[in-house]
Amino acid sequence: DTGVSQNPRHKITKRGQNVTFRCDPISEHNRLYWYRQTLGQGPEFLTYFQNEAQLEKSRLLSDRFSAERPKGSFSTLEIQRTEQGDSAMYLCASSLAGGFQETQYFGPGTRLLVL
Amino acid sequence: EDKVVQSPLSLVVHEGDTVTLNCSYEVTNFRSLLWYKQEKKAPTFLFMLTSSGIEKKSGRLSSILDKKELFSILNITATQTGDSAVYLCAVKSGANSKLTFGKGITLSVRP
Repeated sequence: DTGVSQNPRHKITKRGQNVTFRCDPISEHNRLYWYRQTLGQGPEFLTYFQNEAQLEKSRLLSDRFSAERPKGSFSTLEIQRTEQGDSAMYLCASSLAGGFQETQYFGPGTRLLVL
Repeated sequence: EDKVVQSPLSLVVHEGDTVTLNCSYEVTNFRSLLWYKQEKKAPTFLFMLTSSGIEKKSGRLSSILDKKELFSILNITATQTGDSAVYLCAVKSGANSKLTFGKGITLSVRP
């Protein structure tokens, strides 16, 4: 399977714990995005990378959230001191930078439940 | 702030019906509009629209964009139970690469 992959698929944690998610993009894609989706809502943009550079961060991304893409391939999203409001599906997408025709392809997501 | 509104929010039809899903947007410096289908997992890409009046078609699904009136529609003809899903509309605008999504339309197709 050469699509976007995410691990783990599900994570249950207690409030206050740290969690880390991983995303492996489609191999030739140089852009990688993180979104968060809660029940009944569309995905909301969190941040994106072009190669290893983090080019934009949403104001939704509080200082408890950090994302990295150290070698321009896979990316990690860490949430420190989790809160119940962090419970959501975290989606990763990747694309090949290319102007108007750029299309983002999504991974299966990591569903986080904070107890 | 960019805004995408989808309607209706949910829809129940019977197999064989034709449905029209709506998406309107208010964005600065529009670049493209995308439709995705989501079935309890990753959104899967359906269409990208950049020009007004040019219909994109794939099997029983088709979509068109009106950049003057700032909306798009997604049509599904001869619906099947496998079409049951959430249909997401997203817009890319300005110099940003991010997508702004609507809340999605939940379509249920009954046998």
